Amino acid sequence: AQKVTQAQTEISVVEKEDVTLDCVYETRDTTYYLFWYKQPPSGELVFLIRRNSFDEQNEISGRYSWNFQKSTSSFNFTITASQVVDSAVYFCALSTLLVKTSYDKVIFGPGTSLSVIP
Amino acid sequence: DAGVTQSPTHLIKTRGQHVTLRCSPISGHKSVSWYQQVLGQGPQFIFQYYEKEERGRGNFPDRFSARQFPNYSSELNVNALLLGDSALYLCASSFLRLSGGEAFFGQGTRLTVV
Repeated sequence: AQKVTQAQTEISVVEKEDVTLDCVYETRDTTYYLFWYKQPPSGELVFLIRRNSFDEQNEISGRYSWNFQKSTSSFNFTITASQVVDSAVYFCALSTLLVKTSYDKVIFGPGTSLSVIP
Repeated sequence: DAGVTQSPTHLIKTRGQHVTLRCSPISGHKSVSWYQQVLGQGPQFIFQYYEKEERGRGNFPDRFSARQFPNYSSELNVNALLLGDSALYLCASSFLRLSGGEAFFGQGTRLTVV
């Protein structure tokens, strides 16, 4: 069975603090994709990053960075120097290997609500 | 360029009624997926359509159905509404049938069943 766990339901930080959002996943597939999406109050899901299971290089994009560790089945997301505009719900998601599925089925975690206080 | 557009944005229905939600994908995108997001939870996959054919279906009852039109827009239909169907319904579009989950989402339709 495939599953995504985000143990942190809600996080509050003061502006300019760093914050890490945890994501743990379960899958028996050897090839898969992992994602992070941001959902602001408007409701639209905004794609942030996709990693495939063979690429464990950490990635940095501006104030965002991602740490993918297959050994612990984790794909954590860090925001450096947080800003009020970062306040949103963040979802980690898992998609199985493309060639084994006939369609895209993305499994989302329950989400972490981040509040950045000015 | 217009993003994924969904209509209506909000809807209130009574138990037992029928509802139709609409989605227009990004121009050129042939794949449309539907998700249900209950308050406080992550989105759950309902359907994927590609080239007007159903390609995948999540664990939802037969009361849920969908279709895709020649212009790649899509409708999600829910019959015999239950209170538990109250949720944000999200539509996502992608160019390829298999995009590895990288998709563009609309702002959703918030359905309230009373």
